[in-house]
Amino acid sequence: TQLLEQSPQFLSIQEGENLTVYCNSSSVFSSLQWYRQEPGEGPVLLVTVVTGGEVKKLKRLTFQFGDARKDSSLHITAAQTGDTGLYLCAGGESGGGADGLTFGKGTHLIIQP
Amino acid sequence: NAGVTQTPKFQVLKTGQSMTLQCAQDMNHEYMSWYRQDPGMGLRLIHYSVGAGITDQGEVPNGYNVSRSTTEDFPLRLLSAAPSQTSVYFCASTKTSAFNEQFFGPGTRLTVL
Repeated sequence: TQLLEQSPQFLSIQEGENLTVYCNSSSVFSSLQWYRQEPGEGPVLLVTVVTGGEVKKLKRLTFQFGDARKDSSLHITAAQTGDTGLYLCAGGESGGGADGLTFGKGTHLIIQP
Repeated sequence: NAGVTQTPKFQVLKTGQSMTLQCAQDMNHEYMSWYRQDPGMGLRLIHYSVGAGITDQGEVPNGYNVSRSTTEDFPLRLLSAAPSQTSVYFCASTKTSAFNEQFFGPGTRLTVL
C-alpha cells in the first residue's frame, strides 16, 4: 500500500508571511497532484506535476516534484486570507483511474488577517 | 457545463434506513468514483467505475452499492445505514488521461443517528 504523508497537519500564520507544506512518500509516483478544498465544498485541482525536479508556478503558489518523484512541496509567497483551506496532495500511478490515486490526509491552512 | 453535481447536499437518516446519493457529470468522462471524507482519515475510495456497466470496489466498499447504467450517472446506495457511515461523501469524475486528475462534486453531508 502506497502512503503519502503531509506535513504540517495544521498551520496558522499571518497574512503576508511565506509558508511551505510538504508531501512525502517512500513510493515513486508517475504524477503528483495538489488540490485545495474550502469548507463545505469538494477539492479543486490546482496542479499536476509529472517530471522529477519539475517546478510549476500558479501566481503566488510554487509546486515542486522531487527528483526521485517520491515527494513534493507547495510554497506560498505572501499568503492571503483567501489561501485558507485544506491542501491535499495525491500521487498517481501511470494509466490508472481513481483506484490508482493515493491521497494524503491534508494540511489545514489558516491565514489570519 | 455544470461539471459534477451531487444531491442531496445534506441528509439525516436513522439506523437501518436506506437511501441513494445521486451523482451526475456532463463532461463525458469515462471514470467516476465515490469517496468518503472523515476527520483524520482523509479521502478514502469507496467504489469506482471505468465506464458504463463496469464497477469495482475501492478501499472501503462494505455497506455501499453502486451501478453505472449511463456515462453520466453514478449513484451510491446505502442499503441499511449505520452510524459508522456518518461522513461527507464526494463523487468525482476523471479526465481520461495518464494522470488520474479528479473533478469533484460539492459533496453530501450524511448523518446517521
